[in-house]
Amino acid sequence: NAGVTQTPKFQVLKTGQSMTLQCAQDMNHEYMSWYRQDPGMGLRLIHYSVGAGITDQGEVPNGYNVSRSTTEDFPLRLLSAAPSQTSVYFCASSYQGAGETQYFGPGTRLLVL
Amino acid sequence: GENVEQHPSTLSVQEGDSAVIKCTYSDSASNYFPWYKQELGKGPQLIIDIRSNVGEKKDQRIAVTLNKTAKHFSLHITETQPEDSAVYFCAASISSGNTGKLIFGQGTTLQVKP
Repeated sequence: NAGVTQTPKFQVLKTGQSMTLQCAQDMNHEYMSWYRQDPGMGLRLIHYSVGAGITDQGEVPNGYNVSRSTTEDFPLRLLSAAPSQTSVYFCASSYQGAGETQYFGPGTRLLVL
Repeated sequence: GENVEQHPSTLSVQEGDSAVIKCTYSDSASNYFPWYKQELGKGPQLIIDIRSNVGEKKDQRIAVTLNKTAKHFSLHITETQPEDSAVYFCAASISSGNTGKLIFGQGTTLQVKP
Protein backbone atom coordinates (compact mmCIF):
# COMPACT_ATOMS: atom_id res chain seq x y z
CA ASN A 1 0.00 0.00 0.00
CA ALA A 2 1.19 3.50 -0.84
CA GLY A 3 -0.87 4.90 2.05
CA VAL A 4 -1.83 8.57 1.69
CA THR A 5 -0.21 10.38 -1.21
CA GLN A 6 -0.24 14.11 -1.91
CA THR A 7 0.77 16.05 -4.99
CA PRO A 8 2.46 18.36 -5.61
CA LYS A 9 5.12 18.46 -2.88
CA PHE A 10 5.74 22.15 -3.41
CA GLN A 11 3.92 24.88 -5.35
CA VAL A 12 4.34 28.60 -5.90
CA LEU A 13 1.26 30.60 -6.93
CA LYS A 14 0.56 34.20 -7.67
CA THR A 15 -2.30 35.95 -5.90
CA GLY A 16 -5.56 35.22 -7.69
CA GLN A 17 -4.44 31.99 -9.33
CA SER A 18 -6.33 28.77 -8.77
CA MET A 19 -5.02 25.31 -8.15
CA THR A 20 -5.99 21.88 -6.86
CA LEU A 21 -4.06 19.98 -4.22
CA GLN A 22 -4.42 16.27 -4.80
CA CYS A 23 -4.87 13.64 -2.11
CA ALA A 24 -5.35 9.92 -2.61
CA GLN A 25 -5.40 6.87 -0.36
CA ASP A 26 -5.39 3.18 -1.22
CA MET A 27 -6.53 1.82 2.16
CA ASN A 28 -10.27 1.90 1.44
CA HIS A 29 -10.74 4.54 4.13
CA GLU A 30 -14.10 6.25 4.38
CA TYR A 31 -12.97 9.31 6.36
CA MET A 32 -10.65 11.90 4.82
CA SER A 33 -9.68 15.39 5.91
CA TRP A 34 -7.54 18.38 5.03
CA TYR A 35 -5.47 20.40 7.50
CA ARG A 36 -3.25 23.41 7.17
CA GLN A 37 -0.20 23.85 9.38
CA ASP A 38 1.08 27.29 10.26
CA PRO A 39 3.79 28.20 12.82
CA GLY A 40 2.35 28.55 16.30
CA MET A 41 -1.15 27.55 15.20
CA GLY A 42 -0.86 23.79 14.98
CA LEU A 43 -2.99 21.83 12.56
CA ARG A 44 -6.28 23.45 11.65
CA LEU A 45 -9.07 21.48 10.01
CA ILE A 46 -10.21 22.87 6.65
CA HIS A 47 -12.73 20.33 5.36
CA TYR A 48 -13.49 16.71 5.95
CA SER A 49 -15.49 13.89 4.37
CA VAL A 50 -17.11 10.83 5.92
CA GLY A 51 -17.56 9.07 2.60
CA ALA A 52 -18.01 9.50 -1.14
CA GLY A 53 -20.44 12.32 -1.88
CA ILE A 54 -20.37 13.72 1.69
CA THR A 55 -18.25 16.68 2.80
CA ASP A 56 -18.40 19.14 5.67
CA GLN A 57 -16.60 22.24 6.86
CA GLY A 58 -13.89 22.32 9.47
CA GLU A 59 -12.44 25.24 11.46
CA VAL A 60 -11.07 27.30 8.55
CA PRO A 61 -13.04 26.48 5.36
CA ASN A 62 -13.15 29.92 3.73
CA GLY A 63 -11.31 30.12 0.41
CA TYR A 64 -11.26 26.34 -0.07
CA ASN A 65 -13.56 23.91 -1.84
CA VAL A 66 -13.62 20.13 -1.72
CA SER A 67 -15.48 17.27 -3.35
CA ARG A 68 -15.44 13.53 -2.83
CA SER A 69 -16.55 11.69 -5.95
CA THR A 70 -14.65 8.48 -5.10
CA THR A 71 -13.56 6.78 -1.88
CA GLU A 72 -9.90 7.11 -2.89
CA ASP A 73 -9.60 10.80 -3.78
CA PHE A 74 -10.23 14.02 -1.86
CA PRO A 75 -8.92 17.07 -3.77
CA LEU A 76 -8.68 20.52 -2.20
CA ARG A 77 -9.33 23.49 -4.50
CA LEU A 78 -8.14 27.04 -4.05
CA LEU A 79 -10.28 29.15 -6.37
CA SER A 80 -8.42 32.44 -5.98
CA ALA A 81 -5.22 32.10 -3.98
CA ALA A 82 -4.31 34.71 -1.37
CA PRO A 83 -1.01 35.23 0.51
CA SER A 84 -2.83 34.19 3.71
CA GLN A 85 -3.13 30.71 2.20
CA THR A 86 0.64 30.26 2.26
CA SER A 87 0.99 27.17 4.43
CA VAL A 88 1.78 23.48 4.55
CA TYR A 89 -1.26 21.37 3.73
CA PHE A 90 -1.78 17.85 5.04
CA CYS A 91 -4.34 15.31 3.96
CA ALA A 92 -5.29 12.50 6.33
CA SER A 93 -7.51 9.46 6.22
CA SER A 94 -8.94 6.85 8.58
CA TYR A 95 -11.09 3.79 8.25
CA GLN A 96 -14.28 5.27 9.56
CA GLY A 97 -14.08 8.57 11.45
CA ALA A 98 -12.29 11.10 13.62
CA GLY A 99 -12.18 8.78 16.63
CA GLU A 100 -9.46 6.51 15.35
CA THR A 101 -5.93 6.60 13.94
CA GLN A 102 -5.49 9.23 11.23
CA TYR A 103 -2.92 8.45 8.54
CA PHE A 104 -1.31 11.61 7.21
CA GLY A 105 0.23 12.26 3.83
CA PRO A 106 3.67 13.88 3.45
CA GLY A 107 2.22 17.37 2.91
CA THR A 108 2.16 20.04 0.22
CA ARG A 109 4.07 23.25 0.82
CA LEU A 110 2.26 26.18 -0.82
CA LEU A 111 3.67 29.67 -1.29
CA VAL A 112 1.34 32.41 -2.54
CA LEU A 113 3.09 35.57 -3.71
CA GLY B 1 -17.03 24.82 19.04
CA GLU B 2 -14.25 22.53 20.18
CA ASN B 3 -11.00 24.20 21.22
CA VAL B 4 -7.75 22.56 22.32
CA GLU B 5 -4.99 24.48 24.11
CA GLN B 6 -1.50 22.96 24.34
CA HIS B 7 1.46 23.95 26.53
CA PRO B 8 4.33 24.53 26.45
CA SER B 9 5.06 25.58 22.89
CA THR B 10 8.71 24.58 23.25
CA LEU B 11 10.38 22.19 25.68
CA SER B 12 14.07 21.42 26.06
CA VAL B 13 15.27 18.53 28.25
CA GLN B 14 18.46 16.62 28.82
CA GLU B 15 18.68 13.08 27.51
CA GLY B 16 17.34 10.70 30.13
CA ASP B 17 15.04 13.28 31.75
CA SER B 18 11.25 13.19 31.55
CA ALA B 19 9.09 15.47 29.41
CA VAL B 20 5.48 16.45 30.05
CA ILE B 21 3.15 18.19 27.60
CA LYS B 22 -0.28 19.36 28.70
CA CYS B 23 -3.53 20.00 26.85
CA THR B 24 -6.95 21.26 27.81
CA TYR B 25 -10.13 20.93 25.79
CA SER B 26 -13.35 22.91 25.84
CA ASP B 27 -16.14 20.52 24.87
CA SER B 28 -17.14 18.14 27.65
CA ALA B 29 -18.60 15.78 25.01
CA SER B 30 -15.11 15.00 23.67
CA ASN B 31 -14.37 11.32 24.04
CA TYR B 32 -11.17 10.59 22.08
CA PHE B 33 -7.73 12.10 22.74
CA PRO B 34 -4.80 11.14 20.49
CA TRP B 35 -1.22 12.35 20.47
CA TYR B 36 0.77 12.73 17.26
CA LYS B 37 4.50 13.09 16.64
CA GLN B 38 5.77 15.02 13.64
CA GLU B 39 9.35 14.69 12.51
CA LEU B 40 10.92 17.32 10.30
CA GLY B 41 9.51 17.32 6.78
CA LYS B 42 6.98 14.57 7.45
CA GLY B 43 3.33 14.20 8.25
CA PRO B 44 2.21 13.58 11.86
CA GLN B 45 2.07 9.99 13.15
CA LEU B 46 -0.04 8.65 15.99
CA ILE B 47 2.01 7.64 19.03
CA ILE B 48 -0.67 7.00 21.64
CA ASP B 49 -4.35 7.69 22.24
CA ILE B 50 -6.85 7.47 25.08
CA ARG B 51 -10.62 7.32 25.28
CA SER B 52 -12.81 8.99 27.86
CA ASN B 53 -13.60 5.76 29.71
CA VAL B 54 -9.91 5.34 30.68
CA GLY B 55 -7.83 7.50 33.04
CA GLU B 56 -4.35 6.45 31.99
CA LYS B 57 -2.65 4.50 29.23
CA LYS B 58 0.98 3.49 28.89
CA ASP B 59 3.12 2.22 26.03
CA GLN B 60 6.76 1.63 26.98
CA ARG B 61 8.27 5.10 27.68
CA ILE B 62 5.12 6.99 26.73
CA ALA B 63 2.04 7.50 28.86
CA VAL B 64 -1.08 9.62 28.62
CA THR B 65 -3.32 10.68 31.48
CA LEU B 66 -6.84 12.07 31.27
CA ASN B 67 -8.77 14.13 33.81
CA LYS B 68 -12.32 14.45 32.49
CA THR B 69 -13.46 16.67 35.34
CA ALA B 70 -10.78 19.24 34.61
CA LYS B 71 -10.97 18.60 30.84
CA HIS B 72 -7.24 18.10 30.83
CA PHE B 73 -4.91 15.45 29.39
CA SER B 74 -1.15 15.08 29.34
CA LEU B 75 1.63 13.24 27.53
CA HIS B 76 4.50 11.89 29.59
CA ILE B 77 7.74 10.71 28.02
CA THR B 78 10.25 9.08 30.34
CA GLU B 79 13.96 8.43 29.75
CA THR B 80 13.98 10.78 26.79
CA GLN B 81 16.31 10.05 23.87
CA PRO B 82 17.57 12.34 21.07
CA GLU B 83 15.22 10.58 18.63
CA ASP B 84 12.28 11.86 20.70
CA SER B 85 13.09 15.34 19.39
CA ALA B 86 10.11 16.35 17.25
CA VAL B 87 6.89 18.37 17.28
CA TYR B 88 4.10 16.80 19.34
CA PHE B 89 0.40 17.54 18.86
CA CYS B 90 -2.52 16.70 21.08
CA ALA B 91 -6.04 16.49 19.69
CA ALA B 92 -9.61 15.94 20.80
CA SER B 93 -12.65 14.71 19.00
CA ILE B 94 -16.30 14.07 19.53
CA SER B 95 -16.69 10.83 17.69
CA SER B 96 -19.95 9.09 17.07
CA GLY B 97 -19.86 6.42 14.42
CA ASN B 98 -18.44 7.52 11.10
CA THR B 99 -18.42 11.22 11.76
CA GLY B 100 -16.80 13.85 13.93
CA LYS B 101 -13.97 16.32 13.73
CA LEU B 102 -10.47 16.02 15.14
CA ILE B 103 -9.26 19.33 16.56
CA PHE B 104 -5.54 19.75 17.25
CA GLY B 105 -3.59 21.80 19.74
CA GLN B 106 -0.93 24.28 18.71
CA GLY B 107 1.97 21.84 19.01
CA THR B 108 5.03 21.48 21.25
CA THR B 109 8.55 21.41 19.87
CA LEU B 110 10.55 19.01 22.05
CA GLN B 111 14.32 19.14 21.97
CA VAL B 112 16.27 16.40 23.73
CA LYS B 113 19.88 17.41 24.29
CA PRO B 114 22.44 14.57 24.26
